[in-house]
Amino acid sequence: QSALTQPASVSGSPGQSITISCTGTSSDVGGYNYVSWYQHHPGKAPKLMIYDVANRPSGISNRFSGSKSGNTASLTISGLQAEDEADYYCSSYTSSSTMIFGGGTKLTVL
Amino acid sequence: QVQLQESGPGLVKPSETLSLTCTVSGGSVSSVSYYWSWIRQPPGKGLEWLGYISYSGTTNYNPSLKSRVTISVDTSKNHFSLKLRSVTAADTAVYHCATLYCSRTSCYWASWGQGTLVTVSS
Repeated sequence: QSALTQPASVSGSPGQSITISCTGTSSDVGGYNYVSWYQHHPGKAPKLMIYDVANRPSGISNRFSGSKSGNTASLTISGLQAEDEADYYCSSYTSSSTMIFGGGTKLTVL
Repeated sequence: QVQLQESGPGLVKPSETLSLTCTVSGGSVSSVSYYWSWIRQPPGKGLEWLGYISYSGTTNYNPSLKSRVTISVDTSKNHFSLKLRSVTAADTAVYHCATLYCSRTSCYWASWGQGTLVTVSS
C-alpha cells in the first residue's frame, strides 16, 4: 500500500492560517470518515489532534480543524503559534482493514 | 488513559530477528475495540504501520512486510510483542507501539509509546 500524499513542508507566520492536505484514494480517505491527524515532535510520542475527519479530542485547541472532500482530507491551523512547529501526519483506515499514514508534513513557523 | 512502553534490544545484526515488547498500563490488552499495533519511523522518513493484533487475537499486517512480521499478545502479562525476521539496514528505525481504537463509528490512534530506536548493523 502506498503512503497517503502530504506536502513535504508548509510554513506560515505567527497569527496566520495554514492548511495541510492529505490525498488518498476511494479505498482509504475517500471511502471512510476515519481520517485522523497527529502532531509529532521528534523523540516524543505523536499526539492526536483530529479524529474521524473533523473531531477534536478534549484539550486540543479549537485553532485546529479538519475537513474532507472526496479523496483529500485537510488539517487547518489558524492563529499560528511558535509551539505549533512540528511534523504532522494524517492516517486513514483502508478497505483492507489496514491502516495507512501520510508521508508527513514539516510545519515551520516563521 | 492507556500508557505504553517499548522495550527490547537497540542493536540487531543483519539477517537476525528483531524482537520488541510493549507493556500496557492503565488498560487491558483484552479491551474490546482496541487493536494493539506497531509503527516505525526510519531516520528522515515518515511513519509506517507494521500491523496490529485485536482484542480477540485477530492479526492484520502491512502487505509489504507481511511475510516477515508477527505480532502476538500475552494477556497474563498485559503486553504485546513484535517479531521482524531477516532484518536488513532498511529496518533501522524508531519503533513505536500504539493503540488503535476502532469501533463501528470511530477509528484513530488513541495512545502511543515514546518509541525505541533499533539499529540493524553488524
